Amino acid sequence: AQKVTQAQTEISVVEKEDVTLDCVYETRDTTYYLFWYKQPPSGELVFLIRRNSFDEQNEISGRYSWNFQKSTSSFNFTITASQVVDSAVYFCALLVVAGAQKLVFGQGTRLTINP
Amino acid sequence: NAGVMQNPRHLVRRRGQEARLRCSPMKGHSHVYWYRQLPEEGLKFMVYLQKENIIDESGMPKERFSAEFPKEGPSILRIQQVVRGDSAAYFCASSSWTGGPSGANVLTFGAGSRLTVL
Repeated sequence: AQKVTQAQTEISVVEKEDVTLDCVYETRDTTYYLFWYKQPPSGELVFLIRRNSFDEQNEISGRYSWNFQKSTSSFNFTITASQVVDSAVYFCALLVVAGAQKLVFGQGTRLTINP
Repeated sequence: NAGVMQNPRHLVRRRGQEARLRCSPMKGHSHVYWYRQLPEEGLKFMVYLQKENIIDESGMPKERFSAEFPKEGPSILRIQQVVRGDSAAYFCASSSWTGGPSGANVLTFGAGSRLTVL
């Protein structure tokens, strides 16, 4: 069975601080994808990144960066120089390729950036 | 180029009534997924459909819930005889994934339909 754990339920930081959101996953499959989605207060889900299990290169996109480590089954997300607009709930998700491609989501981390 | 369109955005029902949630996938997408988000929880898979076919409904409650994706028109998630525990946000997602082990397309999510059962 697949499982995603986001141990941090809520994080609150002051604007311009760096913040890391943790994600740990479980799967016995060797081919899978990991995702991060952002859910702002308006409620929609915004895709941020997809990473496949064979690509452990870290990725940076502006102030966002992702650290994928298969050895620890983690896919952590860092926001550098946080801004108030980053306030949202962030979900990590796992998709196993075999089968119907169902996304398994973590519980989410509510991030609040205070001015 | 409209994204995934869900309506209604908000729906209020009394216990015992029926709720119908509609989802129009992105243009060119023929795969539709429904997820449910209970308050303060992550999203849980409910059902995966292609046109006129239910591919995987392993996440659907056994009773009162049904889904369809007809040849013409939007996908419909139907909840009969709603109870308070059905209050949640229901998200639809679509993709153009054509199957096979080579990869996974990104699911594009709609804005969700928030059901409140009084």
